Amino acid sequence: KAGVTQTPRYLIKTRGQQVTLSCSPISGHRSVSWYQQTPGQGLQFLFEYFSETQRNKGNFPGRFSGRQFSNSRSEMNVSTLELGDSALYLCASSMQGAVASEQYFGPGTRLTVT
Amino acid sequence: EDQVTQSPEALRLQEGESSSLNCSYTVSGLRGLFWYRQDPGKGPEFLFTLYSAGEEKEKERLKATLTKKESFLHITAPKPEDSATYLCAVQGRGDFNKFYFGSGTKLNVKP
Repeated sequence: KAGVTQTPRYLIKTRGQQVTLSCSPISGHRSVSWYQQTPGQGLQFLFEYFSETQRNKGNFPGRFSGRQFSNSRSEMNVSTLELGDSALYLCASSMQGAVASEQYFGPGTRLTVT
Repeated sequence: EDQVTQSPEALRLQEGESSSLNCSYTVSGLRGLFWYRQDPGKGPEFLFTLYSAGEEKEKERLKATLTKKESFLHITAPKPEDSATYLCAVQGRGDFNKFYFGSGTKLNVKP
């Protein structure tokens, strides 16, 4: 079974620009979560989508948004980029079930804002 | 709010020197506790899921245990390839699929 894929793997943008990151979950997984990882803050939860609906949201400004498509693929968008948005953005997918199910992570997109 | 605290922040071991990593958690009804391994520049790799106090899981040199307030990741006779950051996460019953991650323990195993 193919793992979680994320594109692009690396991005360099300048302040004020916007960026769109893409995530394809493991086949059969309907939940997709996004995280921001920085050396100082660790893994910070951005949002989670299930069946095209945002179910959970972290404490990030409205510049961070996302969506999920009917095939479970997901995108996240960051508008008006700031230097502090430089980070590794990770996508994770999981099964939907009655018991807790682990998340499987993609390799991440390394975003550098200059 | 649900919280996860991991200790120590960093751990340096000699090859073969066994030790344990700690994950303390506060959660309103535990659905699951998860351990991950992360290598630099890569996404976290899933290791274990623990569901209830008293449960144990093993994989090669790693063994995870769970109590009502904390989890331990025991590393027996580690090798240099075990060097990585180990992350702990919990999923509570409140926010259905929201995971709370600790800041991780960076393990360095010297040959």
